[in-house]
Amino acid sequence: DQQVKQNSPSLSVQEGRISILNCDYTNSMFDYFLWYKKYPAEGPTFLISISSIKDKNEDGRFTVFLNKSAKHLSLHIVPSQPGDSAVYFCAATNTNAGKSTFGDGTTLTVKP
Amino acid sequence: KAGVTQTPRYLIKTRGQQVTLSCSPISGHRSVSWYQQTPGQGLQFLFEYFSETQRNKGNFPGRFSGRQFSNSRSEMNVSTLELGDSALYLCASSLVWDRGASYNEQFFGPGTRLTVL
Repeated sequence: DQQVKQNSPSLSVQEGRISILNCDYTNSMFDYFLWYKKYPAEGPTFLISISSIKDKNEDGRFTVFLNKSAKHLSLHIVPSQPGDSAVYFCAATNTNAGKSTFGDGTTLTVKP
Repeated sequence: KAGVTQTPRYLIKTRGQQVTLSCSPISGHRSVSWYQQTPGQGLQFLFEYFSETQRNKGNFPGRFSGRQFSNSRSEMNVSTLELGDSALYLCASSLVWDRGASYNEQFFGPGTRLTVL
C-alpha cells in the first residue's frame, strides 16, 4: 500500500514557464509535508515544507500548496530554470510516529 | 559545517556476502535515518536511530540491521546479500526529532551505491 504517490514519473517544461509537480497521500495522520530535490550522484536536498495547519507556503520561486480534504499537495516553480532540472520527491511525515514516507519522485526537465 | 558523509561511495559485492555501510551525521545531529533508493521505487525507509536506539523501522527483512554509536555515527549492515539489494543507500540526519513538534528537515548524504553480482 503506497501511502504517498507521485503519479507523474516525468515532466518537461520550457524555461520561464511554470512547473507543477503533484503528490497525493492516503494517510490522514500525516501532518507535515516536504519537497526534496535530487541531482544525479547526490543525496536529496530539502526544498520547501508545509505544515498541515497551512494551505500554502512560499519561498522565492517555489510555492507548495496543500489541500487536506483532497489529500493532495503540489509544488509550483515559477519561473522554471534549466538548473531546476532534477528529480523531485515529496515526503509526508507523521510527526507523532517520527517517520517520513517518500513518493517515487518526478523527474523535471526544464528546456532552454 | 561539514555535511553528512557516507562511506564507501561505491561497493560491489557478490550474492551471499555481507556489507557494512557507514554514515557520519552533521555535527550536533542526533537522529539518523537510512533509506534505500531503487529505480522506480522512490525512497524506501529502512530505520531511524536516535541516541543509539532504533526508534522506527521500515518493512525490510531482518537481513537489514543497523546501529548508532555514542557520537551519533551510524552503520548499516546487510547480510546474505541478494541481487535485489542493489540500490543506492542514503543516510539522512536531523538535529532532533520531537514527536508532535514541527518536523526537523533531514539532511542527506551522497549515498552508497551498492551493486550485488
